[in-house]
Amino acid sequence: EAQVTQNPRYLITVTGKKLTVTCSQNMNHEYMSWYRQDPGLGLRQIYYSMNVEVTDKGDVPEGYKVSRKEKRNFPLILESPSPNQTSLYFCAARGGQGMDTQYFGPGTRLTVL
Amino acid sequence: AQSVTQLDSQVPVFEEAPVELRCNYSSSVSVYLFWYVQYPNQGLQLLLKYLSGSTLVKGINGFEAEFNKSQTSFHLRKPSVHISDTAEYFCAVSDQWTGNQFYFGTGTSLTVIP
Repeated sequence: EAQVTQNPRYLITVTGKKLTVTCSQNMNHEYMSWYRQDPGLGLRQIYYSMNVEVTDKGDVPEGYKVSRKEKRNFPLILESPSPNQTSLYFCAARGGQGMDTQYFGPGTRLTVL
Repeated sequence: AQSVTQLDSQVPVFEEAPVELRCNYSSSVSVYLFWYVQYPNQGLQLLLKYLSGSTLVKGINGFEAEFNKSQTSFHLRKPSVHISDTAEYFCAVSDQWTGNQFYFGTGTSLTVIP
């Protein structure tokens, strides 16, 4: 079964405390993405990766970092979280080109106090 | 950059009535178009997608969408909704040349009233 997993599912933290949200996929897909979902704004792409060691910025990359050392994993790193990064985060994976189906993880709800 | 407009943020509809959720996108270049559904406390699930060919696309759960290039629209329809269709619906677009960046609309909350 095609699966994208994220951990943790819920996280409450304080301003400035570094955190990592993990994302893993079991489909051997090249392409992975991180999105944030905010009320009234829909989903906005933070970063994407076309393959191992190949990443690029999406629409809202400020304050975030990513890495892609292995094909299956694509962690999202917040070096110094701020309250405006309180959001619902989704990781997604798909094969190859833009026509392929994108599979989403269950989401991580982050609150930064 | 692309932009995707979903004009209706909330759509209430009675059970068994038809529904149309509207989506317009900005770019005139060739695009791929998608509709996703998000049930409460879940991730997004693909309903249907338009890649090329026939402009009428059928998806899961009885939904269909029509691609209209001249109007840059991709409206989602269902002839008879069920309570279980209550969810958030997102339209999305990616361009055919790179396909790397995805742009989502702000979503339409569909509430089916018994």
